[in-house]
Amino acid sequence: ETGVTQTPRHLVMGMTNKKSLKCEQHLGHNAMYWYKQSAKKPLELMFVYNFKEQTENNSVPSRFSPECPNSSHLFLHLHTLQPEDSALYLCASSQAIRVGNTEAFFGQGTRLTVV
Amino acid sequence: QKEVEQNSGPLSVPEGAIASLNCTYSDRGSQSFFWYRQYSGKSPELIMSIYSNGDKEDGRFTAQLNKASQYVSLLIRDSQPSDSATYLCAVLNRDDKIIFGKGTRLHILP
Repeated sequence: ETGVTQTPRHLVMGMTNKKSLKCEQHLGHNAMYWYKQSAKKPLELMFVYNFKEQTENNSVPSRFSPECPNSSHLFLHLHTLQPEDSALYLCASSQAIRVGNTEAFFGQGTRLTVV
Repeated sequence: QKEVEQNSGPLSVPEGAIASLNCTYSDRGSQSFFWYRQYSGKSPELIMSIYSNGDKEDGRFTAQLNKASQYVSLLIRDSQPSDSATYLCAVLNRDDKIIFGKGTRLHILP
């Protein structure tokens, strides 16, 4: 089992649907991240949580809503998405920012297709 | 100016040769630097981290950091076909954000 687990691995949703992506880390980390990876673009940082508090929201549209109930779990709630939101969504975790090593470890990703 | 820049490649290297991957970054206050490998359809995998100027070696991989020049590189010795992947440079900037470059596609020629 990898240290960071994402579910589901693949998701196809219509533009009027509501769905959630889940991430769980078993590494004892206190910082968690959502990244978006689209074709021919660099990984885009969407949200950062440090000790369960959101410390970064990179001008992400409100149709993406993160939730971090504890240091081990991170969700990304999706509603009324657009086809251009189709991408690979990656969760990562690291030691708490500004404490110790900050190497980020990634989950397997969720391949999202909006139709 | 992009925060983290890499040549997108593809970079073709004969098997057994040294592959050299380069990265520049814009935030002079950055302190932590990482190299990730990403195979097609997979998530990024951390292969090296470097925090101070100079070289850091781990097996066939050597990371080099020059903060004055804002430059990070990764050398892969004795390149193998299994090294063929996209290599992502990442930087923890002064705002505590881990920012990634677009990646360099490396192709090892058998």
